[in-house]
Amino acid sequence: SYVLTQPPSVSVAPGQTARITCGGNNIGSKSVHWYQQKPGQAPVLVVYDDSDRPSGIPERFSGSNSGNTATLTISRVEAGDEADYYCQVWDSSSDREVFGGGTKLTVL
Amino acid sequence: QVQLQESGPGLVKPSQTLSLTCTVSGGSISSGSYYWSWIRQPAGKGLEWIGRIYTSGSTNYNPSLKSRVTISVDTSKNQFSLKLSSVTAADTAVYYCASMVHNYILSYFDYWGQGTLVTVSS
Repeated sequence: SYVLTQPPSVSVAPGQTARITCGGNNIGSKSVHWYQQKPGQAPVLVVYDDSDRPSGIPERFSGSNSGNTATLTISRVEAGDEADYYCQVWDSSSDREVFGGGTKLTVL
Repeated sequence: QVQLQESGPGLVKPSQTLSLTCTVSGGSISSGSYYWSWIRQPAGKGLEWIGRIYTSGSTNYNPSLKSRVTISVDTSKNQFSLKLSSVTAADTAVYYCASMVHNYILSYFDYWGQGTLVTVSS
């Protein structure tokens, strides 16, 4: 089965740039989606199809995907960005949705 | 904008069947624009996809749960449901329902319910 690997944690100072990676075998050939989950809340879609943003998501959130790594980039990080972030792909070969293990973003 | 709300018992006994319903508002479940999915999250852990259903009733399940899962849709009530049989403590989790964009190139969850905690305990 397809596996997505995320670092357990990333820390960044306010105003700096956070990069959260999602590794998978030839993930560049798949569409990657990213979700933000704050404590006690449901996940929220922040990036879909590698780099598109849903309506209402700040431009500070961006995504890229190439080779074996997809990356969620959060520019000018704010305290309110502190959350868990999950990547997700559709493994079409098995017709199964797959989530990464999640990354806790800490704003120092 | 589609809104989703989970409902069902918060406590289920081991070996019994967990049953949850998701009520959709702000759009018709039978419009054909979306698929409908269940996802769960044990406390302090990550997200696990359970399965999805289309308005036609076509389903697809996570292989790890397939033998115990049934997802159904009731278009007259604008609801879809989850049944998970033979539950154990390992099935204790927050269960989310979500709408999905799903086609031959894209598959993602665009709207989520608030989630409901189901505890498996005697």
